[in-house]
Amino acid sequence: SQTIHQWPATLVQPVGSPLSLECTVEGTSNPNLYWYRQAAGRGLQLLFYSVGIGQISSEVPQNLSASRPQDRQFILSSKKLLLSDSGFYLCAWRWGQNNSPLHFGNGTRLTVT
Amino acid sequence: AQKITQTQPGMFVQEKEAVTLDCTYDTSDPSYGLFWYKQPSSGEMIFLIYQGSYDQQNATEGRYSLNFQKARKSANLVISASQLGDSAMYFCAMRTLRNNNDMRFGAGTRLTVKP
Repeated sequence: SQTIHQWPATLVQPVGSPLSLECTVEGTSNPNLYWYRQAAGRGLQLLFYSVGIGQISSEVPQNLSASRPQDRQFILSSKKLLLSDSGFYLCAWRWGQNNSPLHFGNGTRLTVT
Repeated sequence: AQKITQTQPGMFVQEKEAVTLDCTYDTSDPSYGLFWYKQPSSGEMIFLIYQGSYDQQNATEGRYSLNFQKARKSANLVISASQLGDSAMYFCAMRTLRNNNDMRFGAGTRLTVKP
């Protein structure tokens, strides 16, 4: 069976510090990978997605970036965090079929102080 | 443009009763999929049920069923025999064939099951 791991679970970082959130998927190959952000009490906003190694698509302009160095690894980064980057970050994967649902990790709660 | 609307910020239901959570959507793409997710207070997003735009029958998964009314562009989630563990946020989401890497989510409905 497939599992998705996301860490850390919580993170408190000062403004201007760098960020690295990691996500890995086990039990499948060549998954589509996604980073979402959820503001408090809100729905999810798609940040990045990847359909293959080294292929990254950005959905919203921001000071975040994503990378996919390996087939089942997806990393969300920032060189300098802003207060507005606080939120709940969720990594997800799915197969390529149209009816394939997203399967989410447990999320990272990021607080920028 | 794709849009998902959940008009009920919060809903209450008595344990063992059924509840309907509303979802309407808007898209010009004739091929799309509708998804419902549950988010407990712990934060993980749990996939519940899927309905394809060309599916002739309403989807069902255990106590979850989807009341799909294509002409009205609605995809309401029905939870039967509510349990205390059903208390959570529920999100409706849509993905079109044209933008099949962009799943759009509604703002969510917080369901509280009363004992």
